[in-house]
Amino acid sequence: EVQLLESGGGLVKPGGSLRLSCAASGFTFNKYSMNWVRQAPGKGLEWVSSITSSGYYIHYADSVKGRFTISRENAKNSASLQMNSLRVEDSGIYYCARSEGDLTPLDYWGQGALVTVSS
Amino acid sequence: SYDLTQPPSVSVSPGQTATITCSGDNLENKYTFWYQQKPGQSPLLVMSKTTRRPPGIPERFSGSNSGNTAILAISGTQAMDEADYYCQAWDNYNVVFGGGTKLTVL
Repeated sequence: EVQLLESGGGLVKPGGSLRLSCAASGFTFNKYSMNWVRQAPGKGLEWVSSITSSGYYIHYADSVKGRFTISRENAKNSASLQMNSLRVEDSGIYYCARSEGDLTPLDYWGQGALVTVSS
Repeated sequence: SYDLTQPPSVSVSPGQTATITCSGDNLENKYTFWYQQKPGQSPLLVMSKTTRRPPGIPERFSGSNSGNTAILAISGTQAMDEADYYCQAWDNYNVVFGGGTKLTVL
């Protein structure tokens, strides 16, 4: 059974940092791209970042470019999102989701990690 | 940046067909994916590559494309289908979501 489990969410002050992790199981992790998608309270889905299976290609939404860093450790079946210079508008639920690559669906999603940026 | 436009809300009577649209430039030349999200739950893929229903998704869900508009149709809509629905496409290696459509079954 495919499982994705996010961790690392919490409350942080504006300007602070947080690191989210996504632990994967039930599939061959090193064959899939990993994505982070967030959802502000009561709002829609917003793509944040993607990393290819090898980690070679990485893409970010303009809203987080220069502040967030996506990474992965295939040996540990895990992906991470390092979030720096956090803003109030970064608050929301962060989901990790897998995809086979470009032009393919985000076919499995984790349960999400709540990030709250507030003073 | 690339935009996908969905109606904010759609209402349907039980047993009728619900139609949710998603419009975007050159969308006819892209794959469209659809996700269902119920309150407090993670998104669930209900339609892949515009017309392909993933395993486990009921046959009442179907997808199609008309020009630059992708369509998710739910025939014989049931109360359990009430949810938010998001379309998604890829543009220049970026994932793009529509704003979401709240489907109300009443």
